[in-house]
Amino acid sequence: RKEVEQDPGPFNVPEGATVAFNCTYSNSASQSFFWYRQDCRKEPKLLMSVYSSGNEDGRFTAQLNRASQYISLLIRDSKLSDSATYLCVVNPPTNKLIFGTGTLLAVQP
Amino acid sequence: DVKVTQSSRYLVKRTGEKVFLECVQDMDHENMFWYRQDPGLGLRLIYFSYDVKMKEKGDIPEGYSVSREKKERFSLILESASTNQTSMYLCASSSRSGRPPDTQYFGPGTRLTVL
Repeated sequence: RKEVEQDPGPFNVPEGATVAFNCTYSNSASQSFFWYRQDCRKEPKLLMSVYSSGNEDGRFTAQLNRASQYISLLIRDSKLSDSATYLCVVNPPTNKLIFGTGTLLAVQP
Repeated sequence: DVKVTQSSRYLVKRTGEKVFLECVQDMDHENMFWYRQDPGLGLRLIYFSYDVKMKEKGDIPEGYSVSREKKERFSLILESASTNQTSMYLCASSSRSGRPPDTQYFGPGTRLTVL
């Protein structure tokens, strides 16, 4: 089993749609969780951290379910500029981040 | 803003050449990392460093070495480049006391092609 698993997609959605990605992780001792965004041929950039209580940043909402060991990212009112690969990232207690292979989102006009 | 820079955006080298990839960060971060990214495999950790002159192997260190003589600089060395080392190489840094902790900041990447 991979340490971090994501559906690779692609998710093709129209502008204005709501889209959700899930990610599962295998190490129950993991302590930090993140979503990174990576545009084509660019470096990953931190989108948001994920906290147990869930957190929201504008149109983006991230949630953590420790019991089921999954993380989710919800994007509301999708924009063309949201098209990117979204990487789920987990920190087992080793200070080494484990990256998922990413979920590709394509927002269509 | 954190800035991580890498010496080259694109490199083309020949099999057997020694290759140096340089990474510099300007935020006084203790931790620095080298990854490679390949389609379908995601980011894989090659080496990392928690302090000057300190290095630890990541998941795929074979064929690579690193050097960290100064806090801001972390170099990746391919002793004898091979075609299977053709990849995108990404450097990252993080602070032990970052907000949130463990957040890594990436450089723009070096796309290396070995012929």
